[in-house]
Amino acid sequence: DVQLVESGGALVQPGGSLRLSCAASGFSFSTYAMHWVRQAPGKGLEYVSGISNSGAGTYYANSVKGRFTISRDNSKNTLYLQMGSLRAEDMAVYYCARGETLTGYPPYYWGQGTLVTVSS
Amino acid sequence: QSVLTQPPSASGTPGQRVTISCSGSSSNIGANSAFWFQQLPGAAPKLLIYKSNQRPSGVPDRFSGSKSGTSASLAISGLRSEDEADYYCAAWDDSLSGVVFGGGTKLTVL
Repeated sequence: DVQLVESGGALVQPGGSLRLSCAASGFSFSTYAMHWVRQAPGKGLEYVSGISNSGAGTYYANSVKGRFTISRDNSKNTLYLQMGSLRAEDMAVYYCARGETLTGYPPYYWGQGTLVTVSS
Repeated sequence: QSVLTQPPSASGTPGQRVTISCSGSSSNIGANSAFWFQQLPGAAPKLLIYKSNQRPSGVPDRFSGSKSGTSASLAISGLRSEDEADYYCAAWDDSLSGVVFGGGTKLTVL
């Protein structure tokens, strides 16, 4: 079974940094594109970032471009999201999600999410 | 403001058929397939429909999807109380080079 387990969510002050991780298992990690999607409290789903299976291609929502960096370590079956210059509006549950073998598709499988709280 | 447009709410009685619409543009649904997700309260989203009309294994055939032009629809037949959830449509957007979501539709089973 596909398993995606996020970690790294925490309380952080505005302007601070945080790195989220997503440990993947149950599938060939290096074959699939991966994504981060977030959901602010009581709000809908918002795409944050995506990365191709090799890591050569990366994609960002305008709201996080220049502040967040997505990366992956295929040898460790792990996806990362480095978040910087955090703002109150970045507060959300962050979901790691597995895509298709090619980029250009929404996610198929989702983790349970990790909560990022931005507050002083 | 979401790129894809969904009605904020929908409702039906048990056994009824309900349809949820999702309106996009030529750069997303018009060019790519639509996906649908179900999110139960307190849970992560779950894939219901992929590539516009395909059901993953384990999803009941009461759920069906369709696409026409720049719009997509999710139909739920034989409505059950456990279908009460938030439903989101999504698609890849060629102009934005990313996934776009609808704002979500809260389905109430009366």
